[in-house]
Amino acid sequence: GDSVTQMEGPVTLSEEAFLTINCTYTATGYPSLFWYVQYPGEGLQLLLKATKADDKGSNKGFEATYRKETTSFHLEKGSVQVSDSAVYFCARVNSGGYQKVTFGIGTKLQVIP
Amino acid sequence: KAGVTQTPRYLIKTRGQQVTLSCSPISGHRSVSWYQQTPGQGLQFLFEYFSETQRNKGNFPGRFSGRQFSNSRSEMNVSTLELGDSALYLCASSPSVGKLGNEQFFGPGTRLTVL
Repeated sequence: GDSVTQMEGPVTLSEEAFLTINCTYTATGYPSLFWYVQYPGEGLQLLLKATKADDKGSNKGFEATYRKETTSFHLEKGSVQVSDSAVYFCARVNSGGYQKVTFGIGTKLQVIP
Repeated sequence: KAGVTQTPRYLIKTRGQQVTLSCSPISGHRSVSWYQQTPGQGLQFLFEYFSETQRNKGNFPGRFSGRQFSNSRSEMNVSTLELGDSALYLCASSPSVGKLGNEQFFGPGTRLTVL
């Protein structure tokens, strides 16, 4: 079935370090891909998305590129801040018909000053 | 526009009791999904409703049920609570189905503790 594989955390980085969180997905159909972020005590909120191959989603300094050839959607940020500490979820959504959403396990990021 | 609201925010119940959680989607959103979030299992899909019809269901026992009303508000019910039902229950709404790149908007969740 459909799945999303995400690196398990926690990931601990110093402020201003480079961030990569890996995400791979099953390529059934033509899914849309998402990164959601969950701050402590809150629900998930959309960080960025991409709907077709080679699309790049970006927001708040975060980027991810839809790579069909490697079935990947890795999240990157050039310089993390303490305020980026949160849990990050990769997700895929089928296109057309019933849009089943599949989430990855979530990666906890802790940024230390 | 108001976001997704969930009530109550916190609940403490004992084993064997039942509980009802409520979710009000963003105005105009017709699709509502429910998820269970636990530290060990991550986000587990419970069910999704669209126009008062359950469109899909995750792999949860029949103790977990839900419904959607004509105003798109949704409730989920858990009967005969077990310790393992302690979790954060998240509700998410979407404006429609079938649209490419349709994102979900999440509420803050209901934290259920079963003692």
